[in-house]
Amino acid sequence: DIQMTQSPSSLSASVGDRVTITCRASQSISTYLTWYQQKPGKAPKVLICGASSLQSGVPSRFSGSGSGTDFTLIISSLQPEDFATYYCQQGYSVPRTFGQGTKVEIK
Amino acid sequence: QVQLQESGPGLVRPSETLSLTCTVFGGSISNYYWSWIRQPPGKGLEWVGYIYYSGGTNYNPSLKSRLTISVDTSKNQFSLKLRSLTAADTAVYYCARHPGVAVAGDREAFDIWGQGTMVTVSS
Repeated sequence: DIQMTQSPSSLSASVGDRVTITCRASQSISTYLTWYQQKPGKAPKVLICGASSLQSGVPSRFSGSGSGTDFTLIISSLQPEDFATYYCQQGYSVPRTFGQGTKVEIK
Repeated sequence: QVQLQESGPGLVRPSETLSLTCTVFGGSISNYYWSWIRQPPGKGLEWVGYIYYSGGTNYNPSLKSRLTISVDTSKNQFSLKLRSLTAADTAVYYCARHPGVAVAGDREAFDIWGQGTMVTVSS
């Protein structure tokens, strides 16, 4: 199985801050990487697929980059509605696996 | 607009079998992959397994010996059966759609999710 490791596990930030979340795969997954946002009591929502392609309707303050084993999700200017948990997920092989999540909290 | 809805019991006894169904509304079950994903309380996401509309399956090896996923295209539904339950199977169970790597390439993602159903394993 491909292990996905996110860092940090949690962070505190203020509205307007730039936030960076990283995801590392245990082996190369090319760009088969998706980022999700999950709010409490809700299903996850796709933000970015193919490591860097913004899903339709997702604000442009979200961006993704990386290939191979190292990936980054950036929120350029954190908004109140962005406080949530973020997950990366590899689509390179089965079983599909997720990172453990990064909880973004209000500072 | 395609929507997914999970249905099934909220409480199941240890050692028994969990049966869940996901119904696809507003679109066809054809030409897509359909997955089950679960999330224990306060924890992360675990992919359980998928079925293609034509019936091919792939399961998480950690659950494979206890798991069966099936599809009923006439009802636009797919189902999960998980046997020999323990407390570790307590989770919110989500169903989700994905187009498959052959269609979407590296952009393949779980693009539509149900709202999730909480399943508690307890006597």
